[in-house]
Amino acid sequence: GAGVSQSPSNKVTEKGKDVELRCDPISGHTALYWYRQSLGQGLEFLIYFQGNSAPDKSGLPSDRFSAERTGGSVSTLTIQRTQQEDSAVYLCASSLSAEHHTDTQYFGPGTRLTVL
Amino acid sequence: GEDVEQSLFLSVREGDSSVINCTYTDSSSTYLYWYKQEPGAGLQLLTYIFSNMDMKQDQRLTVLLNKKDKHLSLRIADTQTGDSAIYFCAEGESSYKLIFGSGTRLLVRP
Repeated sequence: GAGVSQSPSNKVTEKGKDVELRCDPISGHTALYWYRQSLGQGLEFLIYFQGNSAPDKSGLPSDRFSAERTGGSVSTLTIQRTQQEDSAVYLCASSLSAEHHTDTQYFGPGTRLTVL
Repeated sequence: GEDVEQSLFLSVREGDSSVINCTYTDSSSTYLYWYKQEPGAGLQLLTYIFSNMDMKQDQRLTVLLNKKDKHLSLRIADTQTGDSAIYFCAEGESSYKLIFGSGTRLLVRP
């Protein structure tokens, strides 16, 4: 596709419910990243995929957060039993690879999650 | 741990230069980046600088790096209203992991 796309663009859920956020990376990009942007904060690294495997999950805040990537393309970030502190904008990015610092990360528009 | 800090807000008049500052803590960072976020849009990479450089110029953008003081700045010449956005500084902890500052909101007044 022309760029990284994410869906939904907005999600409002009730505390305790599970949510799934989707990311479609740029075609041909092998690396995919999830970040979280809380109000007034910078981006917080969550997880990184190279192909279908996730070499670095160190940023996932708790075991309620998980992510998968299938077919080396689409990724889903799942948050179980959502809490109000999970409210944030979840950003996805992709890059051609992750071998070099010059592999530019291209960001999607984000999913704004609000937990009531 | 690694930390990147930026001032929260900058207001300039159209046509003036803008200077956005950033400090970072990880002296081993190889690359440092500037991203721009417009309302409702994802982050867009503006420019990056390799840590063995002290300056990089790209059209209206000039990046200055003081590695000794771990200080990075982004200068925008002839600032336009379309430059109004949030600017994020980031350091490359590794080839894939970026540590971002909290962003500087630039407001350009007509």
